[in-house]
Amino acid sequence: QLQLVESGGGVVQPGGSLRLSCAASGFTFTNYAIHWVRQAPGKGLEWVAVISYDGSKKFYADFVGGRFTISRDNSRNTLYLQMSSLGAVDTAVYYCARCPGGTSHLGMDVWGRGTTVTVSS
Amino acid sequence: QTVVTQEPSFSVSPGGTVTLTCGLNSASVSTDYFPSWYQQTPGQAPRPLIYNTRTRCSGVPDRFSGSILGNKAALTITGAQADDESDYYCGLYMGRGISVFGPGTKVTVL
Repeated sequence: QLQLVESGGGVVQPGGSLRLSCAASGFTFTNYAIHWVRQAPGKGLEWVAVISYDGSKKFYADFVGGRFTISRDNSRNTLYLQMSSLGAVDTAVYYCARCPGGTSHLGMDVWGRGTTVTVSS
Repeated sequence: QTVVTQEPSFSVSPGGTVTLTCGLNSASVSTDYFPSWYQQTPGQAPRPLIYNTRTRCSGVPDRFSGSILGNKAALTITGAQADDESDYYCGLYMGRGISVFGPGTKVTVL
């Protein structure tokens, strides 16, 4: 069964840091690029970042501004998003989503259920 | 600045057909943008429907179809059902690894 399971969300103070994880199962993780997508409360989907199948290529949305780092550990079938300098605007549900290919251009064909990040003092 | 456009809302009768579109303010959408489509109901994760313009995701019925219509990507729902009432988002690949989503279309079935 294809599955992506996010974890690591929680409440963090403004300026703080958080690391999200996305555990994959049911498919050959090393064959696929993986995205992070977020959704603020009551808002639409917002693309955050993507990493290629082997981790050699990483791309970010402009708003990330060097604050987030996407990475993967193919030996653990796990994707990560290290976030720092968090602000209220980063409050959102964060989803990981698989690209149906090794690079990033095809869209997303498997999604996790998301993990909630709340930035608040 | 590139802006993705979608209709804010659409209403369709049960059994009817509706076509949602996804455009760009500064260019024509073609297969080069690898358009994709996602369905989302409140409180749920997005459900992937279509990727690479017209490829249906696993388990998606064939009454959902993707295409290019004129200068926009399109998602057509044929034989609308009550549980098709959702928000629908398009996604586009903008090159250099960057993807963007549209603002979403709220579809009502009544």
